[in-house]
Amino acid sequence: DAGVTQSPTHLIKTRGQQVTLRCSPKSGHDTVSWYQQALGQGPQFIFQYYEEEERQRGNFPDRFSGHQFPNYSSELNVNALLLGDSALYLCASRPRDRVFEKLFFGSGTQLSVL
Amino acid sequence: KNEVEQSPQNLTAQEGEFITINCSYSVGISALHWLQQHPGGGIVSLFMLSSGKKKHGRLIATINIQEKHSSLHITASHPRDSAVYICAVRLIQGAQKLVFGQGTRLTINP
Repeated sequence: DAGVTQSPTHLIKTRGQQVTLRCSPKSGHDTVSWYQQALGQGPQFIFQYYEEEERQRGNFPDRFSGHQFPNYSSELNVNALLLGDSALYLCASRPRDRVFEKLFFGSGTQLSVL
Repeated sequence: KNEVEQSPQNLTAQEGEFITINCSYSVGISALHWLQQHPGGGIVSLFMLSSGKKKHGRLIATINIQEKHSSLHITASHPRDSAVYICAVRLIQGAQKLVFGQGTRLTINP
């Protein structure tokens, strides 16, 4: 059973460019959350998707957008990249109806903005 | 002030020592998670707590809801325990959102 998978693992972009990161949830999971983790910091919640809609959003600008597909996979898009967007981007999935459960994270995408 | 604070930020110990990592929070929560993150980024879920105490192998996690405090203990520490340990709380309001501490970097020397 594959866990949460993310692609690509590493990405280098320049300021002003756009990037798309991808996440496939664990089998049986239908809710995907995205997090940004700057070096030496804990993850920060970006947003959560289920039923193909954004349900919760953290304190991130509109440059950060997402999408969820019918197969529950998700994309994170970041437009007009800034140097400060350099971070590890983590995806986590869960079954929507279970509040108290183990967390499942992907290994992350390391984004470097030059 | 962050909603979730961990201490210490960095901890270095010798193999075999008893380790304690602390997490304090200032918001109402429905659950608290302890996570382990190794170099390279992968995060492993260790415990989810809503009350009391849980034990898994050499790891013990406790939570005091009244004091808004949780601890993660490692007995007989080993170099393979070296990692970043992160506390995350699930808010009562906005129940889908997790708020994370900044992490504690643990290094166990042989």
